[in-house]
Amino acid sequence: KQEVTQIPAALSVPEGENLVLNCSFTDSAIYNLQWFRQDPGKGLTSLLLIQSSQREQTSGRLNASLDKSSGRSTLYIAASQPGDSATYLCAVGYGNKLVFGAGTILRVKS
Amino acid sequence: DAGVIQSPRHEVTEMGQEVTLRCKPISGHNSLFWYRQTMMRGLELLIYFNNNVPIDDSGMPEDRFSAKMPNASFSTLKIQPSEPRDSAVYFCASSFGTGDAGYTFGSGTRLTVV
Repeated sequence: KQEVTQIPAALSVPEGENLVLNCSFTDSAIYNLQWFRQDPGKGLTSLLLIQSSQREQTSGRLNASLDKSSGRSTLYIAASQPGDSATYLCAVGYGNKLVFGAGTILRVKS
Repeated sequence: DAGVIQSPRHEVTEMGQEVTLRCKPISGHNSLFWYRQTMMRGLELLIYFNNNVPIDDSGMPEDRFSAKMPNASFSTLKIQPSEPRDSAVYFCASSFGTGDAGYTFGSGTRLTVV
C-alpha cells in the first residue's frame, strides 16, 4: 500500500529560525513529489515539484530534497517568517495518482 | 490562465438532497482529479479522468457518488442522496499527462450536509 507520512504533525518556531519538514513514503517507484502549502479554509498552493530523477529543487527561501532509495523528502525553510504559518502537505506522484501525507501545521511566532 | 475553477465555493444542503459540484480545469490539461478533504482522513482521491475518460474511480465511497466529464473543460461530481457524513471540502485538480509539470488545485467547495 502506498502511504505517505509527515513528521512532525505540528511545529511552532520563533521568527527567523531555519526549519525542516519531513516526508517519507513506502513505495519508492515514484514519478515525482510535490510540496503544497494550505492556508486555513483555502486551497492548495504548489511550492515545489521534484521529478523522480532530481535530487532537489529550490525556490527562494524554500529547498526540497528527494532521496528515492530511502523513501524520504525534506522541505527546508530558511529564515522563517510569520507569513509562512500554514499547513504543509507532501504529495507523492505515482503516475496519474497523488498520495498525500497528513500535513505539518507550522506556526511561526513573531 | 485563471487556474482550476470550482463552483460553488460553499454549499449547505439538507440530508437527502442532490448536490452537484462543478469544475473547470486548466485549458490544455488532459487529466482531472476529484479529491475530498476531511479532518479525519486528510486528502483522498475520489476519481480521476484522462482525456475525459474515467480511469480510476476506486476512491468513490459509495454509489451515491458519481462523476462525469462531458468535455475537456468541464466536470461534475454529484452526490445523491447526500448525507451528513459527506460534509467535507471537495477539491478538483488538473494536470497534463502523468503530472510531469505538477498538479494544480482549485480553491475547493466546502460542503455541509445538515
